[in-house]
Amino acid sequence: GDSVTQMEGPVTLSEEAFLTINCTYTATGYPSLFWYVQYPGEGLQLLLKATKADDKGSNKGFEATYRKETTSFHLEKGSVQVSDSAVYFCALQKETSGSRLTFGEGTQLTVNP
Amino acid sequence: EAGVTQSPTHLIKTRGQQATLRCSPISGHTSVYWYQQALGLGLQFLLWYDEGEERNRGNFPPRFSGRQFPNYSSELNVNALELEDSALYLCASSLGVNWNEQFFGPGTRLTVL
Repeated sequence: GDSVTQMEGPVTLSEEAFLTINCTYTATGYPSLFWYVQYPGEGLQLLLKATKADDKGSNKGFEATYRKETTSFHLEKGSVQVSDSAVYFCALQKETSGSRLTFGEGTQLTVNP
Repeated sequence: EAGVTQSPTHLIKTRGQQATLRCSPISGHTSVYWYQQALGLGLQFLLWYDEGEERNRGNFPPRFSGRQFPNYSSELNVNALELEDSALYLCASSLGVNWNEQFFGPGTRLTVL
């Protein structure tokens, strides 16, 4: 079945450091790919998305490129801030799976000042 | 514009009891999704309702059920509660079928004692 694998966490960085959170997926066809963020005590917020190969999603300084050849959708940010501390989830969605989102395990990011 | 709302925020029950969780989607959204976020198990798809009908179901036992009302709000019912049902239950809504972006509520924290 479809699955998403994220790099194991937690990740701890200093402010202004470069961030990469790896995400790979297993799915047939052409899923849409998403990054969601969950701040403490809150629900999930969509951070960015890409719907086809080579698309780049971007938002709030975060970027991710849909790489079909490596089945990856790695999240990057050039300079993290303390306010970026949260849990980040990679997810995929396929029309044939009835609109459900399949999530990775989540990666806890802590940014220290 | 009001986002997805869920009630109650917290719910404490004992084993064997029933729990009812409620969700109000964003105005104009006809689809409602339920996800379970249990410690160590990540985010798992539970149910999807659209236009009052159950459209898809995740790999959960029948004691997890729900419904969608004519105003598109939804209830999730969990019967015969077990300790492992303790989790954050997230509701999301979207404009409808066909891969639309899902917007999440803040969740209901269910604790089973």
